[in-house]
Amino acid sequence: GAGVSQTPSNKVTEKGKYVELRCDPISGHTALYWYRQSLGQGPEFLIYFQGTGAADDSGLPNDRFFAVRPEGSVSTLKIQRTERGDSAVYLCASSLGTGTTEAFFGQGTRLTVV
Amino acid sequence: GQQVMQIPQYQHVQEGEDFTTYCNSSTTLSNIQWYKQRPGGHPVFLIQLVKSGEVKKQKRLTFQFGEAKKNSSLHITATQTTDVGTYFCAGLDTGFQKLVFGTGTRLLVSP
Repeated sequence: GAGVSQTPSNKVTEKGKYVELRCDPISGHTALYWYRQSLGQGPEFLIYFQGTGAADDSGLPNDRFFAVRPEGSVSTLKIQRTERGDSAVYLCASSLGTGTTEAFFGQGTRLTVV
Repeated sequence: GQQVMQIPQYQHVQEGEDFTTYCNSSTTLSNIQWYKQRPGGHPVFLIQLVKSGEVKKQKRLTFQFGEAKKNSSLHITATQTTDVGTYFCAGLDTGFQKLVFGTGTRLLVSP
């Protein structure tokens, strides 16, 4: 596909469980962003990758959140011991460069913690 | 940390009326981007501004970057129902490489 792909599109999990959210960026895009969006709010920055390394993870709310991009392409956002407050839409975006070019967003993963 | 605020939060206009949203950053930006998000959708890129005082137009949309590179505006002339959605500015801080989104302005257009 030509766009950013995120899976699953919806995830319902019980409080305390571990979840993984996957992002498959556009081929050739070196920059990858994760954002979290709550209803009626703007996308909240979580982490930014340039290649395989996390260039800026200052937006991760606490140590329950972790993200990897081992081969510089697919990225996985991991949330441990989920809490109800983690419920939101998790958006992934990729771009050719470091914020100086258009970011292409995936459709997002709607995470609901019950 | 860097904060990007937008006003108004919400605006409801009649079709044919003009609309403007304003974006203000707490820090100087290297560039600013604008995105549109339709209800239930994801943000879609509209435009990027890089130079101080830059003005760009896309049909009925006019985008402006402030002289101090800390604020921006989006103006829509003669709104149409297809303009409905939330408009976000997103700024790239000169000291960092992360793209920080504004709080958004939700636009509703009645026919």
